[in-house]
Amino acid sequence: KAGVTQTPRYLIKTRGQQVTLSCSPISGHRSVSWYQQTPGQGLQFLFEYFSETQRNKGNFPGRFSGRQFSNSRSEMNVSTLELGDSALYLCASSSTGIANYGYTFGSGTRLTVV
Amino acid sequence: QKEVEQDPGPLSVPEGAIVSLNCTYSNSAFQYFMWYRQYSRKGPELLMYTYSSGNKEDGRFTAQVDKSSKYISLFIRDSQPSDSATYLCAMSVYEENSGAGSYQLTFGKGTKLSVIP
Repeated sequence: KAGVTQTPRYLIKTRGQQVTLSCSPISGHRSVSWYQQTPGQGLQFLFEYFSETQRNKGNFPGRFSGRQFSNSRSEMNVSTLELGDSALYLCASSSTGIANYGYTFGSGTRLTVV
Repeated sequence: QKEVEQDPGPLSVPEGAIVSLNCTYSNSAFQYFMWYRQYSRKGPELLMYTYSSGNKEDGRFTAQVDKSSKYISLFIRDSQPSDSATYLCAMSVYEENSGAGSYQLTFGKGTKLSVIP
């Protein structure tokens, strides 16, 4: 059974640019969540999608956005990149989005903003 | 004050030692409690989850929850070098936003563990 696939694994972008990250969840999983991980703040929730609808959003500026397609694949976009956006971006999927059953995480996309 | 506090370590123990990892939390609404393990350059993987106060055992791992003290622990018996990783506690509560809702995870910052052969 394939796991959660995130592409690309590494990205280097310049301040002011925008970036799109992709996540393919486990087959059959309809919930996809995105997290930002930094050494200083740890893992922070960005947003969650279920059946193409955003169900929840964390406390991030509007530069961070996402979407989910009918095949459950998800993308997140960050516009007008800032140095502080450098982080590991993790995608997690579950069948229902009920966290007590445990999310399965991908290996993440390492974004470096220079 | 962060909702979930976790000592970042690093924690270094000899092989075979018993490891104790802990988290405290402030939000009494948290309902589910989890421990994730994260190896370098990998995403977190779920180790244990519990709902009620008490102990839950799975092989060498025991998760303990004390809701009255808002305190959770993970014990690793007979630790192995392959247990060297960052351990993250996580908790969830149902969050509603504009009529829709779901359970969302709040993580501790993680404790980096090294098991020395």
